[in-house]
Amino acid sequence: DAGVIQSPRHEVTEMGQEVTLRCKPISGHDYLFWYRQTMMRGLELLIYFNNNVPIDDSGMPEDRFSAKMPNASFSTLKIQPSEPRDSAVYFCASSSTGQGSPYEQYFGPGTRLTVT
Amino acid sequence: GIQVEQSPPDLILQEGANSTLRCNFSDSVNNLQWFHQNPWGQLINLFYIPSGTKQNGRLSATTVATERYSLLYISSSQTTDSGVYFCAVEQPGGSYIPTFGRGTSLIVHP
Repeated sequence: DAGVIQSPRHEVTEMGQEVTLRCKPISGHDYLFWYRQTMMRGLELLIYFNNNVPIDDSGMPEDRFSAKMPNASFSTLKIQPSEPRDSAVYFCASSSTGQGSPYEQYFGPGTRLTVT
Repeated sequence: GIQVEQSPPDLILQEGANSTLRCNFSDSVNNLQWFHQNPWGQLINLFYIPSGTKQNGRLSATTVATERYSLLYISSSQTTDSGVYFCAVEQPGGSYIPTFGRGTSLIVHP
């Protein structure tokens, strides 16, 4: 399996622009998670989906952030408008109830976002 | 919420040395994972270990859930072991919201 795929790997944008991050989970996995990592706050869970349905979005920092999962093989995290404090590495992870435990998460390579 | 403390925060080793990393948590947990974040930022799943002991090559992990800690052992360390090691725990209750520790930063010198 190719693992979790994220794109782009790096994104540099100007404040106020819309940013869309993409994730393809491991085939067959039914859970998908979006995280943000910064030096100050470490790894934070933003939102997670089960069977394409958002289950908990309490970690989404504010209304400028939105996430969708239109099908089992694709999810997006959108920031509109972006701000410099959104600069971070954004990770997507997936897991499966069919392979033991939904807690055993596999991470993608991350998207390094810089907002200037 | 649950508190996860990792120690030591930083560790510097000479290649070939052994080390033990610790993860303490403040409440009962259903699940625990260890991850290695390599210098390129990739988070690699090392162990899923809610209890007991597991081994994978030079790495092994033990979780004693009743005493609220987990240990990660690295034997005969190599420069490729450098990076940050995180533990993440999940509390009972059916949610899948993990809490990550702040990590142990490991540097292995040749």
